[in-house]
Amino acid sequence: EPEVTQTPSHQVTQMGQEVILRCVPISNHLYFYWYRQILGQKVEFLVSFYNNEISEKSEIFDDQFSVERPDGSNFTLKIRSTKLEDSAMYFCASSVGDSGSNEQYFGPGTRLTVT
Amino acid sequence: GQQLNQSPQSMFIQEGEDVSMNCTSSSIFNTWLWYKQDPGEGPVLLIALYKAGELTSNGRLTAQFGITRKDSFLNISASIPSDVGIYFCAGRDSGGYQKVTFGTGTKLQVIP
Repeated sequence: EPEVTQTPSHQVTQMGQEVILRCVPISNHLYFYWYRQILGQKVEFLVSFYNNEISEKSEIFDDQFSVERPDGSNFTLKIRSTKLEDSAMYFCASSVGDSGSNEQYFGPGTRLTVT
Repeated sequence: GQQLNQSPQSMFIQEGEDVSMNCTSSSIFNTWLWYKQDPGEGPVLLIALYKAGELTSNGRLTAQFGITRKDSFLNISASIPSDVGIYFCAGRDSGGYQKVTFGTGTKLQVIP
């Protein structure tokens, strides 16, 4: 069964450094998303992406964050200058299209630890 | 913003027992979703509900979309040890491309 994959599984970085989290969505999916989950808390929406542009973003997704689809398979989340509070699990998700019954499938996540 | 509150926050049950958990929202959703998350993993979709009043089953799981569009419940019958995990309700406004808003989660532990 096709699945969303994410790399790395765990990333440790120093405060102020840039990080890039990578995702390979399911191959025939057209909509891509990033969510984050701070330890012990609920999953929070960050951004959605379609047709090479952001379609929606939350207030968490400030100027420090950016997303890109650099080629036909990868979808990346970049945090330009990491802060301690960016430590969280980051989940990528994808969906086929925009009809009401096309649900989002989540990857296994990247655990980001900022020290 | 939209808030989804789940109850109970956590529960311990004996293997074989039935389980019920609820989710209430401060606003209306057009789609209700139930996900399960195992430790260190991403959320896995269990059930999706698209119409107010809809009752849907997936094996031992049954979920309903409340008629007010502001609530949903999930029942698990005859629990087994692998049901352990965190169950999240989630809501989505309209289009499938739109963001999913997650609830606070119910942590389920099953005692063999």
